[in-house]
Amino acid sequence: KAGVTQTPRYLIKTRGQQVTLSCSPISGHRSVSWYQQTPGQGLQFLFEYFSETQRNKGNFPGRFSGRQFSNSRSEMNVSTLELGDSALYLCASSQDDSADTQYFGPGTRLTVL
Amino acid sequence: EDQVTQSPEALRLQEGESSSLNCSYTVSGLRGLFWYRQDPGKGPEFLFTLYSAGEEKEKERLKATLTKKESFLHITAPKPEDSATYLCAVQVDQAGTALIFGKGTTLSVSS
Repeated sequence: KAGVTQTPRYLIKTRGQQVTLSCSPISGHRSVSWYQQTPGQGLQFLFEYFSETQRNKGNFPGRFSGRQFSNSRSEMNVSTLELGDSALYLCASSQDDSADTQYFGPGTRLTVL
Repeated sequence: EDQVTQSPEALRLQEGESSSLNCSYTVSGLRGLFWYRQDPGKGPEFLFTLYSAGEEKEKERLKATLTKKESFLHITAPKPEDSATYLCAVQVDQAGTALIFGKGTTLSVSS
């Protein structure tokens, strides 16, 4: 079974721009979560989608948003990019929204100049 | 506030030298504790899920245990390929499915 895929793998943007990242979950998985990983803060939860609905949101500004499609694929968007948004953005999928194991993709490395 | 603390931050071992990594947690209601392994530039790879105190899971040279306050990842006779960052995460009742991660332990095993 194919794992979680994320595109693109690398992105370079400048301050003020916006960016969209994509995630395809493992086949049959309906829950998709997004995390930001930085050297200083480690892995931090951004938000979680289940059946096209945002079920949970972390402590990030409104510039960070996401959505989920009917095929469970998900996108996250960051508007008005700041230097501090440079990070590895990880997507994780699980079968449902209970206490279930989350499987991570390889991540998208975003660099903001 | 729910919190996860991992120690040590870094650990250097000789091949075959067994050791343990610690993950202590302070949470309001534990739903599950997860161990992941992360190699540089890659996403975390799932290792174990533990749900209740006293539970143990094993996989090759790794064994994870759980108490009411902490979890240990025991590494028996490690090999250089075990070198990675090991991450501990918890799910808590009030946070839905969100994982709260510790900062990780970076393990280096030399031959």
